Amino acid sequence: DGGITQSPKYLFRKEGQNVTLSCEQNLNHDAMYWYRQDPGQGLRLIYYSQIVNDFQKGDIAEGYSVSREKKESFPLTVTSAQKNPTAFYLCASSRTGANEQYFGPGTRLTVT
Amino acid sequence: GNSVTQMEGPVTLSEEAFLTINCTYTATGYPSLFWYVQYPGEGLQLLLKATKADDKGSNKGFEATYRKETTSFHLEKGSVQVSDSAVYFCAPQESNTGKLIFGQGTTLQVKP
Repeated sequence: DGGITQSPKYLFRKEGQNVTLSCEQNLNHDAMYWYRQDPGQGLRLIYYSQIVNDFQKGDIAEGYSVSREKKESFPLTVTSAQKNPTAFYLCASSRTGANEQYFGPGTRLTVT
Repeated sequence: GNSVTQMEGPVTLSEEAFLTINCTYTATGYPSLFWYVQYPGEGLQLLLKATKADDKGSNKGFEATYRKETTSFHLEKGSVQVSDSAVYFCAPQESNTGKLIFGQGTTLQVKP
């Protein structure tokens, strides 16, 4: 059963703590993406990776970090430097950068 | 920069009514165009796509035609159902990065 998994579905953290969101895919896709969605808004790109061991900043990378050590995995760390981290985070993957993207179910992060 | 404009929501229709959600975009080159749908609390699902001018994407009764001359990709469905209630996103794709450009989305509410 191929797809993209994100865990956990809900995550709660205290301000000042770093937190890592998981994204795994078994679609054999080369490219992976992280987006942030705020209520009533569209998605904004945080980071993307078109190949293992390489990634680029998106439009709102400040306060976030990623790694791409394996093709299947693209974890996102929300650091304490991110001023407004509470949001819905969506991971996506595509066969290459030029193909349609498939999304995971998302992680809703609440920081208090 | 690249951008997308969708009609303001919410769009409220009765079951079996005709649906149009307008989408226009600005982008360099000839981007691929996508419609995604998001149900409450979930990730995005790919609804349909078109990769070149005059292509028509279709799926589950929804259609959209790539109009290069008007830079539009309007979504239509002949007869909506209550189960179509969701948020719809039009998204052109940057060809060099694979990045999807999102607007704020259009909320569709279908009443029985």
